[in-house]
Amino acid sequence: EAQVTQNPRYLITVTGKKLTVTCSQNMNHEYMSWYRQDPGLGLRQIYYSMNVEVTDKGDVPEGYKVSRKEKRNFPLILESPSPNQTSLYFCASSERQGGEQYFGPGTRLTVT
Amino acid sequence: SQQGEEDPQALSIQEGENATMNCSYKTSINNLQWYRQNSGRGLVHLILIRSNEREKHSGRLRVTLDTSKKSSSLLITASRAADTASYFCATDPYTGGFKTIFGAGTRLFVKA
Repeated sequence: EAQVTQNPRYLITVTGKKLTVTCSQNMNHEYMSWYRQDPGLGLRQIYYSMNVEVTDKGDVPEGYKVSRKEKRNFPLILESPSPNQTSLYFCASSERQGGEQYFGPGTRLTVT
Repeated sequence: SQQGEEDPQALSIQEGENATMNCSYKTSINNLQWYRQNSGRGLVHLILIRSNEREKHSGRLRVTLDTSKKSSSLLITASRAADTASYFCATDPYTGGFKTIFGAGTRLFVKA
């Protein structure tokens, strides 16, 4: 089954404790992206990747890092999480630039 | 730099009625897409319309695009209770890369 998976689905952590949210897709897509969703703001793009080792900033990259060492994986790293990074995070992948995006189920992160 | 704005923010209708949602954007785009989200879950792609298209249909969905006004509308005909969800427009601007900009969304509630 074609899918995008994210782990963990729920995470409560404390300020400053490094964490990684994993994202994996099994569709051999070149394009992958991370978004955060906050009430009333829709989805905002954090980072995206157009291929292995090719990443670029979205609209809200501050406080986040990404890497793309393999085509299927695109982890999101929060080196020093802060409460303003409490949000619902989505990973997505696409076969082509500007094409339909397939979304993961989301990761709900709470930073206290 | 959010560029998708949607209205209304919320819409409540009776089953069988039509629902119309509007999206406006600020810069030139390649494509415009509509997505649906049920209760904090991952987004599901509904339809994509290219910048050189004016109208597109898919089942009970009809999307229009007016690039001169930088706006799009999504019409759901003969709505059902199962259409209750949030609907988002997403654009990929001419800036290149894999940038995607989502609107804040319209929450649709269809009463049975």
